[in-house]
Amino acid sequence: AQSVTQPDIHITVSEGASLELRCNYSYGATPYLFWYVQSPGQGLQLLLKYFSGDTLVQGIKGFEAEFKRSQSSFNLRKPSVHWSDAAEYFCARKAAGNKLTFGGGTRVLVKP
Amino acid sequence: EPEVTQTPSHQVTQMGQEVILRCVPISNHLYFYWYRQILGQKVEFLVSFYNNEISEKSEIFDDQFSVERPDGSNFTLKIRSTKLEDSAMYFCASSGGEEQFFGPGTRLTVL
Repeated sequence: AQSVTQPDIHITVSEGASLELRCNYSYGATPYLFWYVQSPGQGLQLLLKYFSGDTLVQGIKGFEAEFKRSQSSFNLRKPSVHWSDAAEYFCARKAAGNKLTFGGGTRVLVKP
Repeated sequence: EPEVTQTPSHQVTQMGQEVILRCVPISNHLYFYWYRQILGQKVEFLVSFYNNEISEKSEIFDDQFSVERPDGSNFTLKIRSTKLEDSAMYFCASSGGEEQFFGPGTRLTVL
């Protein structure tokens, strides 16, 4: 079965520092990949998506992600985090049909 | 900006009771979904709905669950005879293409 793995359960980063969240997907045809963010008590907000084309995609809130087929990865990055970036981040893959398969999530804590 | 809405935000029920979770998808979307997230676990797909019928469902979505689009705007998830393990956050999503837009969720607590 197609799966998505986020190896890091928690990441703590200082405000202003860079952030990288890892996501790996199981092998398959070119996947449709997404990053969502969930702030406390909130729903899932789409940060960015990759379907095809340029492997570096830009999203909202200053986030970007790079698709690397050779590594089956779709890592999320932000050059300088803000305290408001503290949240849980989910990588997801569109599976056969239209359903999304999610990774386990990475909780980001931002230190002042 | 259009958004998916869900009601109620919190629902507490007794084991064995029926609950209906409601969603209003984005108005021009044609695909509708329910997902759930048990505390501390992954977001899991439950069911997708298109053209007034279920297009796909997961193993979780057994006879205890049903979905309905009773009118042109609402999309509901009914859970019959709730169990303790049904306690979770339930998310509705809708899609007009490749992206799915999620609602804020309904937190269901079964006592």
